[in-house]
Amino acid sequence: NAGVTQTPKFQVLKTGQSMTLQCAQDMNHNSMYWYRQDPGMGLRLIYYSASEGTTDKGEVPNGYNVSRLNKREFSLRLESAAPSQTSVYFCASTTFITVNTEAFFGQGTRLTVV
Amino acid sequence: AQTVTQSQPEMSVQEAETVTLSCTYDTSESDYYLFWYKQPPSRQMILVIRQEAYKQQNATENRFSVNFQKAAKSFSLKISDSQLGDAAMYFCAPFMEYGNKLVFGAGTILRVKS
Repeated sequence: NAGVTQTPKFQVLKTGQSMTLQCAQDMNHNSMYWYRQDPGMGLRLIYYSASEGTTDKGEVPNGYNVSRLNKREFSLRLESAAPSQTSVYFCASTTFITVNTEAFFGQGTRLTVV
Repeated sequence: AQTVTQSQPEMSVQEAETVTLSCTYDTSESDYYLFWYKQPPSRQMILVIRQEAYKQQNATENRFSVNFQKAAKSFSLKISDSQLGDAAMYFCAPFMEYGNKLVFGAGTILRVKS
């Protein structure tokens, strides 16, 4: 049982390049999330998908797009990377159930834009 | 908009003593969870404790307990008998049944002194 898997773990991009961060979960969760975490800071919500077929903006959506490909997979795309997007990106998943609800996180992707 | 406030950017505690981390949030929902997550230097996100909003009894998990005050929208974390391994960044997060948005506070860095 892998939980939440993010790829890649590390990436260096040049300004203006594009890339897609992949996230997959095997826990049959309805909801999936993308966050960014800058050094010494908290997790800021970029986009989320409450259920398959829906996506919504979070706190810092500018410069990003997402796709909920199916129930398992939720990708984050940077169309034209900027140095301000240098950060660690986390994917998470969960489902609201009556007991023992918990959000599970991937290991993170460290992205550097030069 | 869902807002989460952790008013203590940093806290220090002596080993074996007790510390309380504060969290307040804003929501008009009635059914939700509240989480405290721990993030050590490894950046792994670890669930410390959860509270169901419909439960009046405060959650406890070994040395960790919460003081949940629904009317005041306050959710503090008490760590008893602090250990060196408790040193980490701590985040609180409400999780709404409606919409499934999951927003984290800015975090509190906890330092444990030996």
